[in-house]
Amino acid sequence: DAKTTQPNSMESNEEEPVHLPCNHSTISGTDYIHWYRQLPSQGPEYVIHGLTSNVNNRMASLAIAEDRKSSTLILHRATLRDAAVYYCILRPYRDDKIIFGKGTRLHILP
Amino acid sequence: DTGVSQNPRHKITKRGQNVTFRCDPISEHNRLYWYRQTLGQGPEFLTYFQNEAQLEKSRLLSDRFSAERPKGSFSTLEIQRTEQGDSAMYLCASSLAGTGGHTYEQYFGPGTRLTVT
Repeated sequence: DAKTTQPNSMESNEEEPVHLPCNHSTISGTDYIHWYRQLPSQGPEYVIHGLTSNVNNRMASLAIAEDRKSSTLILHRATLRDAAVYYCILRPYRDDKIIFGKGTRLHILP
Repeated sequence: DTGVSQNPRHKITKRGQNVTFRCDPISEHNRLYWYRQTLGQGPEFLTYFQNEAQLEKSRLLSDRFSAERPKGSFSTLEIQRTEQGDSAMYLCASSLAGTGGHTYEQYFGPGTRLTVT
């Protein structure tokens, strides 16, 4: 399974943008880049995914490097509720299981 | 609330006892997944179903673990002869089946926390 590398933890101030990096240098052409997050005492929840182009949704934006070896999840204006563990995941085409790493624990400072 | 429910939410059992967990997925989802999560780690895939067929099992799923989805709706995960190492959060997720080049997001339940004493 292709692997991702994320910082163990990050801090950000409330109401400021947050950029969460992910390296995936061994990504293959058919791997989708997915992001999930896990709030305290809850199951993971889907955030966003993409293949090659940058993606936006109501929760976040995903910026994918041109060579696809890295990506960045962008939270445009962090709130205290965004404090969670964020997982960057590669999902091969048509492979439905998710292989989670340890993720990045994001702390939001009021 | 994602629409995926799991029962019980907490289970304490003694080593050697059998336990069974239930997952009710979102009704129109034909895929159902089980994961296990220990403290400080990301969830680990255990197995998944499409409708009532169990399509993949992880090597983590020892012979003491069995999962069923008899009518393609709810699923049960049974652990026989529990061991202390089985203590973890057991998560269930559901999704639509991917078609063409599309992979659908998974919706997770709140999990069942198992403590084996």
